[in-house]
Amino acid sequence: AQKVTQAQTEISVVEKEDVTLDCVYETRDTTYYLFWYKQPPSGELVFLIRRNSFDEQNEISGRYSWNFQKSTSSFNFTITASQVVDSAVYFCGIIKAAGNKLTFGGGTRVLVKP
Amino acid sequence: DTEVTQTPKHLVMGMTNKKSLKCEQHMGHRAMYWYKQKAKKPPELMFVYSYEKLSINESVPSRFSPECPNSSLLNLHLHALQPEDSALYLCASSQDRAQTALSYEQYFGPGTRLTVT
Repeated sequence: AQKVTQAQTEISVVEKEDVTLDCVYETRDTTYYLFWYKQPPSGELVFLIRRNSFDEQNEISGRYSWNFQKSTSSFNFTITASQVVDSAVYFCGIIKAAGNKLTFGGGTRVLVKP
Repeated sequence: DTEVTQTPKHLVMGMTNKKSLKCEQHMGHRAMYWYKQKAKKPPELMFVYSYEKLSINESVPSRFSPECPNSSLLNLHLHALQPEDSALYLCASSQDRAQTALSYEQYFGPGTRLTVT
């Protein structure tokens, strides 16, 4: 079975500050996929990124960046120059290869104050 | 187009009512999912349909009955629910497993907020 831990339950920052969300996962599978989703107050889960276990390249997309480190089983997410619209709950998740079950971490609530 | 639609957005029902939640996607996805999310918790998988066949049932009580009439539609029939079943019900879809890495990306609808009185 897989497990995802998001140790930070809530982070509060002032606009334009950077914020890093931690995600640590456990799995016995050699091939798996990691995800980040954003859930704004409206409730819809918005897909942000997928990372394959065999690809440890970090990624930057606009103000978002992701740091995948297989050696420490971590897949951290950084928002640079945060904005009020970034206020949401962010979930990290994992699926094993040939599986359908997406296991989520507990989520981190980010509050960006103006 | 990565849109998954769900109706209704809100639903209030009594414990003796029968109601249905509906989900639709037009992305050509062949896997569809129901999740339940309680307040301040992550979504929990309930059911998975793959090519219109039920492939995963996460030991969900029989008062929840899923149905997949075709590859674009997913229903969740509700009967004799309990107040603790009040939650946000999310539908998702994906291409299906083991095709490519893209197959694993699940796209979610806006959810139906269900209140059982």
